[in-house]
Amino acid sequence: AQTVTQSQPEMSVQEAETVTLSCTYDTSESDYYLFWYKQPPSRQMILVIRQEAYKQQNATENRFSVNFQKAAKSFSLKISDSQLGDAAMYFCAYRRRNTGNQFYFGTGTSLTVIP
Amino acid sequence: DVKVTQSSRYLVKRTGEKVFLECVQDMDHENMFWYRQDPGLGLRLIYFSYDVKMKEKGDIPEGYSVSREKKERFSLILESASTNQTSMYLCASRLGVSYGYTFGSGTRLTVV
Repeated sequence: AQTVTQSQPEMSVQEAETVTLSCTYDTSESDYYLFWYKQPPSRQMILVIRQEAYKQQNATENRFSVNFQKAAKSFSLKISDSQLGDAAMYFCAYRRRNTGNQFYFGTGTSLTVIP
Repeated sequence: DVKVTQSSRYLVKRTGEKVFLECVQDMDHENMFWYRQDPGLGLRLIYFSYDVKMKEKGDIPEGYSVSREKKERFSLILESASTNQTSMYLCASRLGVSYGYTFGSGTRLTVV
């Protein structure tokens, strides 16, 4: 079974600084997707960024970027120029590429942004 | 934008009651999902449906059932609610295999 591990239950960052959230996963598949989702206090999960395992280039979305290390099965999220609105719970998730209906989620990292 | 609407934001029910959690999406998505979210455990899949009247068990289906009579609506049913089913329930939908999820805002269920 696939597992996703987020080893940092809580993180904090000063406004305008950079923070990195860690995620590791376990799979025997070679082709899959990885995601970072954000859950603000409103509770609605929002997709932050997506990475396809067959692409070596790290995905980037504005201030959000990932460091995808396929051999190490590591998928960290870097948030640059942190803003107060970035405060949320962040979940890392995995899904197989073609046949996988199911997402596997980590346990989440709660990010606090300090003004 | 796609909307996934969960009918109740907060719900309090008594042990033994039959509970219905409703989820409606407005963009003709094929796949719909019910997750349970608990602190320290992340999100765990209860059931999903890839088409009308089709359903598959996820990782923790015990104590739950689902119904999908129409494409836009996916209901989660707790046949006899128990206190260990107190949790946040999240519904999600997706157009197809190659797409990401759109989530609802969750229903926080308390069983007393």
